[in-house]
Amino acid sequence: NAGVMQNPRHLVRRRGQEARLRCSPMKGHSHVYWYRQLPEEGLKFMVYLQKENIIDESGMPKERFSAEFPKEGPSILRIQQVVRGDSAAYFCASSSRDRVYEQYFGPGTRLTVT
Amino acid sequence: GEDVEQSLFLSVREGDSSVINCTYTDSSSTYLYWYKQEPGAGLQLLTYIFSNMDMKQDQRLTVLLNKKDKHLSLRIADTQTGDSAIYFCAESGGAGSYQLTFGKGTKLSVIP
Repeated sequence: NAGVMQNPRHLVRRRGQEARLRCSPMKGHSHVYWYRQLPEEGLKFMVYLQKENIIDESGMPKERFSAEFPKEGPSILRIQQVVRGDSAAYFCASSSRDRVYEQYFGPGTRLTVT
Repeated sequence: GEDVEQSLFLSVREGDSSVINCTYTDSSSTYLYWYKQEPGAGLQLLTYIFSNMDMKQDQRLTVLLNKKDKHLSLRIADTQTGDSAIYFCAESGGAGSYQLTFGKGTKLSVIP
């Protein structure tokens, strides 16, 4: 019974490149959430998606960041033209439709921008 | 806005009980959570409590909620070295809210 899967686990990008982070929810889960953890900080909500729908992106930076959850395949968090301040751990969580309050987290992707 | 506060460090001896405390500000919080994060790993959902409860016990874990004071605690009985990790307190907003607001985490060190 696989949990939430994220890949890659570690990603290094140079300033100005694009970063793509992938998340496959737990089996049976249709809701995906992305959170960002800056060094020495707690996790901050970024976006909540269901299949083919962005439900709440109130925590997403206004520029360069986008997220999608297509009908087939994993959810993608995309960061264009990365800057050093984007270096962080990005966690994906998933829940079922009926228990959105019970979120299970993946292992995270640690993004380093050089 | 919502805020969740917890002390940053706690050190206990193996076999003792650990108590990790947390305060929050959002009086409409529906659920309150404890997550555990081991080095380089994701967050593991340890337990959560609905806001109309004041206690929940699950094996070695006891969660106490004082809604009046907006105070949440996690007690780990018979603490083991494998319990060494960062423990995050989190709360969800009002009814139907899915946004979890996290504290900065309490690093628990267990001394053998």
